[in-house]
Amino acid sequence: GENVEQHPSTLSVQEGDSAVIKCTYSDSASNYFPWYKQELGKRPQLIIDIRSNVGEKKDQRIAVTLNKTAKHFSLHITETQPEDSAVYFCAASRDTGFQKLVFGTGTRLLVSP
Amino acid sequence: GAVVSQHPSRVICKSGTSVKIECRSLDFQATTMFWYRQFPKQSLMLMATSNEGSKATYEQGVEKDKFLINHASLTLSTLTVTSAHPEDSSFYICSVTLGSRSVSADTQYFGPGTRLTVL
Repeated sequence: GENVEQHPSTLSVQEGDSAVIKCTYSDSASNYFPWYKQELGKRPQLIIDIRSNVGEKKDQRIAVTLNKTAKHFSLHITETQPEDSAVYFCAASRDTGFQKLVFGTGTRLLVSP
Repeated sequence: GAVVSQHPSRVICKSGTSVKIECRSLDFQATTMFWYRQFPKQSLMLMATSNEGSKATYEQGVEKDKFLINHASLTLSTLTVTSAHPEDSSFYICSVTLGSRSVSADTQYFGPGTRLTVL
């Protein structure tokens, strides 16, 4: 089955710096890769996702890149703000309808003012 | 997106009792819902896939007789933790997917979660 590894487990940056979180996956058939942000005690919120037919996707300060050959994808947050502080999870699944998501272990991002 | 609710948001129960958690899809009919469990400072672990009108599909290591799932309608799935013990204390979250109704077939939208504490 699919296995998703995520690094780093914790990341501390200064406000305004960039943050990068990396994930690798094992199942070459996976082709849907979402990223979720979870604040303490709350539900995971989808922030961006990418499918295997594109290599990069951007939404304002957030971008995701995908390297299918190497089986890894990354989340990039630019101009970080204190409200970006949260736990971020990557996930992977096969895009064939109702396929389960396999989550990474999470990255705790702390943005200091 | 999709609007998903869960009830209750928090529950505290005594060891040995059963607890029912409801997951509702408020703005569309969901043929498939997912149930996750999240222990403190850990990732989301899929417990089972809930299919309307049929038996749920459980992940390896999840006891189907302990975690009863009923998906009786297109807007409601329930998870019952039977004979709960302290080790069952966790954050239980459901999710729904828009499936073929959306170009983002596999995008999952999560409920707010239920924090279960078993004394």
